Amino acid sequence: EPEVTQTPSHQVTQMGQEVILRCVPISNHLYFYWYRQILGQKVEFLVSFYNNEISEKSEIFDDQFSVERPDGSNFTLKIRSTKLEDSAMYFCATRVGYQETQYFGPGTRLLVL
Amino acid sequence: SQQGEEDPQALSIQEGENATMNCSYKTSINNLQWYRQNSGRGLVHLILIRSNEREKHSGRLRVTLDTSKKSSSLLITASRAADTASYFCAIETGANNLFFGTGTRLTVIP
Repeated sequence: EPEVTQTPSHQVTQMGQEVILRCVPISNHLYFYWYRQILGQKVEFLVSFYNNEISEKSEIFDDQFSVERPDGSNFTLKIRSTKLEDSAMYFCATRVGYQETQYFGPGTRLLVL
Repeated sequence: SQQGEEDPQALSIQEGENATMNCSYKTSINNLQWYRQNSGRGLVHLILIRSNEREKHSGRLRVTLDTSKKSSSLLITASRAADTASYFCAIETGANNLFFGTGTRLTVIP
């Protein structure tokens, strides 16, 4: 069964550094999402992306965050200058346009020191 | 808040028993979805129920939705030790984004 994949599985970075998290969606999926889950807390919506542009973003998704689909396959989340509070598990999710179900990747655990 | 809220926060049962988890929310929804998360792992989609549906079944899972009370329940019948995980409800509003609750931590004791 096709799956959403994410790389890396874990990333440790210094505060102020840039990180790029990558997601490979299921091949025929058209809608893409990023969520995050701070340890012990609920999963929070960050941003949705369709047709090469942001559809919706939350208050968390400030100017430090950006998303793109540079090569038509990978879907990336960039954090320009990481802060300690960016430490979390970041999940990519994708869905086919005609179905509501979002399929989640295994996540990238980001630790900012 | 648009998010779903589950209760109980934690539930511990014996293998073979049924487990019921509840979810309440505050806004109008397009659908409500239940996900499972094993410790430190990704989210696995379990079942989706649309706002015009009242009950759905999938294997040992039964989901109900009461839009007048803005609540849903997830029933897992004949639980197994492998069902041990956190279970989250997520509501989808008009924007197709999901808003998750805090989850119910289910422990099934063999």
